[in-house]
Amino acid sequence: DIQMTQSPSSLSASVGDRVTITCRASQGIRNDLGWYQQKPGKAPKRLIYAASSLQSGVPSRFSGSGSGTEFTLTISSLQPEDFATYYCLQHNSYPTWTFGQGTKVEIK
Amino acid sequence: QVQLVQSGAEVKKPGASVKVSCKASGYTFTSYGISWVRQAPGQGLEWMGWISAYNGNTNYAQKLQGRVTMTTDTSTSTAYMELRSLRSDDTAVYYCAAVVGATLGDYWGQGTLVTVSS
Repeated sequence: DIQMTQSPSSLSASVGDRVTITCRASQGIRNDLGWYQQKPGKAPKRLIYAASSLQSGVPSRFSGSGSGTEFTLTISSLQPEDFATYYCLQHNSYPTWTFGQGTKVEIK
Repeated sequence: QVQLVQSGAEVKKPGASVKVSCKASGYTFTSYGISWVRQAPGQGLEWMGWISAYNGNTNYAQKLQGRVTMTTDTSTSTAYMELRSLRSDDTAVYYCAAVVGATLGDYWGQGTLVTVSS
C-alpha cells in the first residue's frame, strides 16, 4: 500500500506569510496527487489536482509542485480565510486512495 | 448541477449496523464512481472504499474488509454504505464523494454523523 507522510501536522502563521506544506509518498506516484482544504464542519474542497494544476475558482495564491515522491502545497500570502486543515490525497493506486495526515494552519 | 445528498445522523449501539445513503443528482449516475471517506472527531480523513456505479465493482480499505459493504441503486441514483459490528471508534462523520476519472474532485456529500455509544 502507498503511504503518504504529510508535514508539519500543524503550523502557526500570520496573515501575509508564505506557507509550505509537504507530502511524501512511500513510492513514486507520478503526479497523481491532489490537495484539499477542509474547514470545520464542512466537506473537503479540492484546491490542486494533478499535483500542480489549480482547481477552477481557487485563488492563485495557492500552488502545488512536485512529482514522484515529494509534493508541496504553497500559499504565497496567507489570508484570513485560509486558516483551515489541508490534506494531500494520492490516487496513483486507483481504485485505492490514501490521504496524508493533515496540516492544521492556525493563526499566530 | 451535481449534488450528493446524504441521509441524516444516526446513533447506534456497539455491535449494531448502520447504512448511510448518498443520493446523486445533476449527472448520469453511472458515469462516476462513489468513494466513501470518514473523519473521526478531531482526526484526519480516512478513505473507506469505492464502488463503480457503472458495474458495481468495489474496493474496500483493508482495515474495513469484512465489515463494510457498498452498493448502488441505479434506479434511484443512490449509493449506500453499510458498516457492521459497530465500535465506538467508528464514531465519525461519513462522506460520499463522486469519483471523476480517478480523482475525488468537486462533488461531495454534506456528511453524515454516525455516533456509536452504549
